[in-house]
Amino acid sequence: ETGVTQTPRHLVMGMTNKKSLKCEQHLGHNAMYWYKQSAKKPLELMFVYNFKEQTENNSVPSRFSPECPNSSHLFLHLHTLQPEDSALYLCASSQDNIIFNDNEQFFGPGTRLTVL
Amino acid sequence: ILNVEQSPQSLHVQEGDSTNFTCSFPSSNFYALHWYRWETAKSPEALFVMTLNGDEKKKGRISATLNTKEGYSYLYIKGSQPEDSATYLCAFNQAGTALIFGKGTTLSVSS
Repeated sequence: ETGVTQTPRHLVMGMTNKKSLKCEQHLGHNAMYWYKQSAKKPLELMFVYNFKEQTENNSVPSRFSPECPNSSHLFLHLHTLQPEDSALYLCASSQDNIIFNDNEQFFGPGTRLTVL
Repeated sequence: ILNVEQSPQSLHVQEGDSTNFTCSFPSSNFYALHWYRWETAKSPEALFVMTLNGDEKKKGRISATLNTKEGYSYLYIKGSQPEDSATYLCAFNQAGTALIFGKGTTLSVSS
């Protein structure tokens, strides 16, 4: 148990569906992250939030829409996805933004997304 | 484009063997190097965060070294156990940039 939870753990959706991924951290951290891992590729950063403010958007298509209502919760809203968006989506948190601090990240277990 | 290379991609050892993996990264503007262990069906778990050239960190049977001038880090596991079976991820960042991950080294330890 890392203190970072993600729901759902598995999600199958059609290309016209709208769904949301949820992440919650119980560690009192200030920074939260969304990562994507596609098959045979490294973990790829999508978004960074620091004190609820988005600080990084790694050229992610607009069909992925993040939301951070407070420092403990992070959502990833999905709409009109493509089959190539099928991947494992991991949430992480750290005490402070690792872009400027050498903090370790704590990861959730991920959501396995399949887009049909 | 910044790239992190990990080698080998995978390896299989017997219980009790010692092993090591390599992580290579660009040496310019180095800020930090992270090692994570990722067991199947679990969350990646931080092992080490290293920032100083020549630094060596240890956690139980696992240790890591860092050479920022030549751009590499080694992860060592002494006396491998079946519970060490996992994918070991390396990630680095330059000052003011996000972490860039390697593809990982997958270790399998047989009893």
